Amino acid sequence: EPEVTQTPSHQVTQMGQEVILRCVPISNHLYFYWYRQILGQKVEFLVSFYNNEISEKSEIFDDQFSVERPDGSNFTLKIRSTKLEDSAMYFCASSALTSSYEQYFGPGTRLTVT
Amino acid sequence: AQSVTQLGSHVSVSEGALVLLRCNYSSSVPPYLFWYVQYPNQGLQLLLKYTSAATLVKGINGFEAEFKKSETSFHLTKPSAHMSDAAEYFCAVSGDGNKLVFGAGTILRVKS
Repeated sequence: EPEVTQTPSHQVTQMGQEVILRCVPISNHLYFYWYRQILGQKVEFLVSFYNNEISEKSEIFDDQFSVERPDGSNFTLKIRSTKLEDSAMYFCASSALTSSYEQYFGPGTRLTVT
Repeated sequence: AQSVTQLGSHVSVSEGALVLLRCNYSSSVPPYLFWYVQYPNQGLQLLLKYTSAATLVKGINGFEAEFKKSETSFHLTKPSAHMSDAAEYFCAVSGDGNKLVFGAGTILRVKS
């Protein structure tokens, strides 16, 4: 069964460093998303991406964040200068054109900023 | 705007007993509603979805949920709990664009 994959599973970085979280969505999906879950809090929407551009973003997704689909398979989230409060589990999700509301999630990347 | 409230951050049931996890939503547009399950150290797995067809929705692993517009509820049930059902369950709503708005989650514990 096709699934969303994410790498790395755990990333530790120092405050102020740049990180790139990688995702490989399900191959025939055209909508891509990033969510995050700070420990003990709700899963929060960050951004959605379709047709090579951001279709929606939350107020969390400020100028420190960017997303890219560098090739036909990867979808990345870059945090330009990490802060302590960026420590969270980051989930990538994807959905198909015909059922765009039905999102399939990856296993997540746990980001720890020290 | 959409929001979700899950009543009970922790629910404990005995093996074989009924599972009832509560979810109430708020939406300014007709909603799509979802239940996801998260096992320890794993991602979010879609259990079931409501997309304005049948109000009683059946999902994987014997779970089902009923959409009740008058009560703005989408509670998750399973007639007989199994040890393998122990996990965290999230209710989510979508309706204004594709983004999902999640509830805070309910941790289900199953006692032997």
